[in-house]
Amino acid sequence: QKEVEQNSGPLSVPEGAIASLNCTYSDRGSQSFFWYRQYSGKSPELIMSIYSNGDKEDGRFTAQLNKASQYVSLLIRDSQPSDSATYLCAVVNTGGFKTIFGAGTRLFVKA
Amino acid sequence: GAVVSQHPSRVICKSGTSVKIECRSLDFQATTMFWYRQFPKQSLMLMATSNEGSKATYEQGVEKDKFLINHASLTLSTLTVTSAHPEDSSFYICSAPDRAVTEAFFGQGTRLTVV
Repeated sequence: QKEVEQNSGPLSVPEGAIASLNCTYSDRGSQSFFWYRQYSGKSPELIMSIYSNGDKEDGRFTAQLNKASQYVSLLIRDSQPSDSATYLCAVVNTGGFKTIFGAGTRLFVKA
Repeated sequence: GAVVSQHPSRVICKSGTSVKIECRSLDFQATTMFWYRQFPKQSLMLMATSNEGSKATYEQGVEKDKFLINHASLTLSTLTVTSAHPEDSSFYICSAPDRAVTEAFFGQGTRLTVV
């Protein structure tokens, strides 16, 4: 089992729709969770961080965490073509600060 | 936010030569830095953890004699790809966590092409 799993996609949504990205992780003791956006040929950039169960909203982005289910998601409201990128779920492992990445989900927002 | 600078951003080298990549934390001290490799359309794979003043910790399957890591100061870690081969061509990215370990700050990445 991979440590952090994501659906590779591609996920295609029309402009203005809600994009839903999902991620599961295997290390039950993980405490820090992140969503990064990566454009082709560029380094990842942080979109959201979440540390406690529930929802966290920042502008058009909402991160959701359920530690019991070992599940974290990212919702993008009013999707724009500029949101088209690969979204990486990342988890900091228990006891250390290695950041482990999922394989990423490619999102396409059609104008 | 904190800044991590990585240099060079792009390098082309001949097979058999060595290439050094630098990663600097510009406005904070990083006792630990991480080196990742990313092949096209794949995720970031952790190669090694660079520790200031001590030996790096390599992930399983990563050749420590081929990928030399030096973390000589609190702001600089270097990755040297020795005797490079075409299969080493990849995107190499460094990152450094902040003191609270709440976020990893990434360098700009280095696109290595071995011809």
